[in-house]
Amino acid sequence: QVQLQESGPGLVKPSETLSLTCIVSGESIGHYYWSWLRQPAGKGLEWIGRIFKKGNTNYNPSLKSRVTLSMDTSKNLFSMNLTSVTAADTAVYYCVRQDYNEVFDYWGQGARVTVSS
Amino acid sequence: QSVLTQPPSVSATPGQRVTISCSGSTSNIGRNYVYWYQHLPGTTPKLLIYRNNQRPSGVPDRFSGSKSGTSVSLAISGLRSEDEADYYCAAWDDSVTAWVFGGGTKLAV
Repeated sequence: QVQLQESGPGLVKPSETLSLTCIVSGESIGHYYWSWLRQPAGKGLEWIGRIFKKGNTNYNPSLKSRVTLSMDTSKNLFSMNLTSVTAADTAVYYCVRQDYNEVFDYWGQGARVTVSS
Repeated sequence: QSVLTQPPSVSATPGQRVTISCSGSTSNIGRNYVYWYQHLPGTTPKLLIYRNNQRPSGVPDRFSGSKSGTSVSLAISGLRSEDEADYYCAAWDDSVTAWVFGGGTKLAV
């Protein structure tokens, strides 16, 4: 059974960096695609980016200048750093596996992050 | 502003049929597969339709997907109260090499 679990601070100050980690069990992150998505309260889903194979990445163009994804295959986890956060970055952040049929099939439970001083 | 355009909300009565539209462009819907997800409050999104019109096992045949050009539709027949949820379309966009989502459609039954 594939399981994903996000971890990170629930509160981040404006202008600081939001760092989240997703620990994966039941599957090696050396396979498939591993994405981050987010959902601000009352709004829709937004894809942030993905990492795959040996660290290849794709990013949402609107966030590309502030986002960095990385992976640690020895610990079977992947991470996201989002710099210079503002209140607009307040959201529930999900880490998600995407299979080779391009389906977002396994989701973490979501990490609620608030940007506030 | 989402790359894919969906109506913010639709409503229908139990037993009726409803369609949710999703429009995009050549670089996303026009050239790539579209996926539909159902998002119920307090849960994680669930795949309803993949590759435009394919249903995963376990998804009732009340749900169907279709595509024409740069638009797709999700149809739900025999509406039930448990179908009340937010529905999202998603596709890969070649021009920005990124996944793009619709803004979501809230279905009221």
